[in-house]
Amino acid sequence: KQEVTQIPAALSVPEGENLVLNCSFTDSAIYNLQWFRQDPGKGLTSLLLIQSSQREQTSGRLNASLDKSSGRSTLYIAASQPGDSATYLCAVRPHYGGATNKLIFGTGTLLAVQP
Amino acid sequence: DAGVIQSPRHEVTEMGQEVTLRCKPISGHDYLFWYRQTMMRGLELLIYFNNNVPIDDSGMPEDRFSAKMPNASFSTLKIQPSEPRDSAVYFCASSPDRGNQPQHFGDGTRLSIL
Repeated sequence: KQEVTQIPAALSVPEGENLVLNCSFTDSAIYNLQWFRQDPGKGLTSLLLIQSSQREQTSGRLNASLDKSSGRSTLYIAASQPGDSATYLCAVRPHYGGATNKLIFGTGTLLAVQP
Repeated sequence: DAGVIQSPRHEVTEMGQEVTLRCKPISGHDYLFWYRQTMMRGLELLIYFNNNVPIDDSGMPEDRFSAKMPNASFSTLKIQPSEPRDSAVYFCASSPDRGNQPQHFGDGTRLSIL
C-alpha cells in the first residue's frame, strides 16, 4: 500500500531564506508526483507536477525534484516571502498495474515565513 | 474561468439529518473527484467520475455516503443519515484528463455534524 510522508510537519523561517520541504513515498511505481499549496479555508492549488520520467520541474522561485528509485521528492523555495506561508502537500499518482486517476496525499508541511 | 464551485461553503446540522453537498466542475473537464479532509486522516479520495460515470468509489466510507453526477456540469455528495464522525472539509476537484494534468480544487464545504 502506497504511503506518503512529509517532513517536517511544520516549519518557521525568516523572510528571505531558502528552504526545502521533503516528501517520501513507499512504492516507487508512480505515474507522477504533484506539489500543492493550501491556504487556510481554501482548496488546493497545484504548484508543480513531475512525471515519473522527469527529475525536476521549475516554476519561478519553486523547484521540485523527484528521485523515484529512492521514493523521495523535495520542494525548494528560494528567497521565501511572507506570502509563501501556507500548507504544502505532495501527492503521488500510483501505478497499480494499470491506469488510475487516484492521488495519494501526504499530511502536509505547514510553512510560516516571518517578515 | 470560474473554477470549481462548491456549495454550501459551510453546513452545520444535527446528527441523523440528510446532507447534500454540491459541485460544479470546470467546463470541459472530464474527471470529477470528491475528497474528504480531516486532521486525523488528511486528504482522502472518496470517489471519482469520468464522463459522468463513477469509476472508483472504493474510498466511500460506508453505505450512508452516495455520489451522483447527472450531467457534465453538476455532481452531488449525499450523506444519509449523517453522524458526528462525518464532520470534515469536503473538496470537489476536476481535471481535463486522466492524470497528467493537475486537478483543480474548489474551496470546499466545511461540514459540522452536531
